[in-house]
Amino acid sequence: GENVEQHPSTLSVQEGDSAVIKCTYSDSASNYFPWYKQELGKRPQLIIDIRSNVGEKKDQRIAVTLNKTAKHFSLHITETQPEDSAVYFCAASRGRGGSNYKLTFGKGTLLTVNP
Amino acid sequence: GAVVSQHPSRVICKSGTSVKIECRSLDFQATTMFWYRQFPKQSLMLMATSNEGSKATYEQGVEKDKFLINHASLTLSTLTVTSAHPEDSSFYICSASSEHGYTFGSGTRLTVV
Repeated sequence: GENVEQHPSTLSVQEGDSAVIKCTYSDSASNYFPWYKQELGKRPQLIIDIRSNVGEKKDQRIAVTLNKTAKHFSLHITETQPEDSAVYFCAASRGRGGSNYKLTFGKGTLLTVNP
Repeated sequence: GAVVSQHPSRVICKSGTSVKIECRSLDFQATTMFWYRQFPKQSLMLMATSNEGSKATYEQGVEKDKFLINHASLTLSTLTVTSAHPEDSSFYICSASSEHGYTFGSGTRLTVV
């Protein structure tokens, strides 16, 4: 089955700096890669996703890059703010939804943005 | 947008009793429902996958007789934790799969005392 590795497990940055979280996956059939932000006791919140037919996607301060050949994808957050502090999870799936394709999650990154 | 309502949000039960958790898709039909368990400071671990009208598929190491899943309709799936023990205390969360993608419930914090 799919195995998703995520690094680092913790990341501390100063407000305004950039944060980068990296993930690798093992299943070459995976083609959907979402990133989630989870605050304590809350549901995961989708912040950005990318499909395998593109290499990069950006939404304001958040961007995701995908290297399908190397089977790795990364989350980039620029101009970090204290409210970005949370646990971030990457995930991989063979499809975006509407099927039995399950999401496999990385172990998470605790991001702390210091004011 | 797509919404999944999950209840209860918190439950405390005595050891040996059973607890039922419900997930309802409010404005769409969930082809598939995934059930996850999340221990403190850990990731979401898939427990089982269920499709409406058929038996759930459980991940390796998950006891199907302990975690009963019912997916009687395209809008309702339930997880029953039977004979709960303190080690079952965790955050349980459902995720509905549909044309909207993956939609998560708000989670249930189960504490077994």
